[in-house]
Amino acid sequence: GDSVTQMEGPVTLSEEAFLTINCTYTATGYPSLFWYVQYPGEGLQLLLKATKADDKGSNKGFEATYRKETTSFHLEKGSVQVSDSAVYFCALSQGGSEKLVFGKGMKLTVNP
Amino acid sequence: EAQVTQNPRYLITVTGKKLTVTCSQNMNHEYMSWYRQDPGLGLRQIYYSMNVEVTDKGDVPEGYKVSRKEKRNFPLILESPSPNQTSLYFCASSPWDRVDGYTFGSGTRLTVV
Repeated sequence: GDSVTQMEGPVTLSEEAFLTINCTYTATGYPSLFWYVQYPGEGLQLLLKATKADDKGSNKGFEATYRKETTSFHLEKGSVQVSDSAVYFCALSQGGSEKLVFGKGMKLTVNP
Repeated sequence: EAQVTQNPRYLITVTGKKLTVTCSQNMNHEYMSWYRQDPGLGLRQIYYSMNVEVTDKGDVPEGYKVSRKEKRNFPLILESPSPNQTSLYFCASSPWDRVDGYTFGSGTRLTVV
């Protein structure tokens, strides 16, 4: 079945550091790909998405590019802030599928 | 404001005492789903519903029931809770095609003692 593998962490960075969170997927067909963020004590929020190969999703300084050749959707941010401390989930959805398939999540802590 | 509302946010209960976690969405979404989140296991789908009166099992349905009598509501029922159902639960909704992902509720932290 479909699956998502992502870095699990936890990861601690200093403010203004560069962030990469790796995400690879296994799926038949052409899934849509998502990054969700979960701030402490809150539900998951959609951070960005891409629906076809070579699409780049971006939001709040985060970016991820849908790479079909490497089945990857790595999340990047050039300069993290303390407010980016959260758990980040990579996910995919197949057309006609009944669910989002999530990676296990990665906890990021950013220190001042 | 478009949102998914879950209640309660926190619940401590005893083994065997029936409980219901409510979920309501105001976006006229056809699709609704329940997930549980556990450390090291990520999010796992419990049940989902494609529309009113249409529900089906997800990956971990044992010990849970759901109903979809109205489009906006999708309650999660634990008829006889057990300690292994201690978890963080999320309700989510989406338009029927799900291509833009889901909108999640804020979560319900359930502890069964």
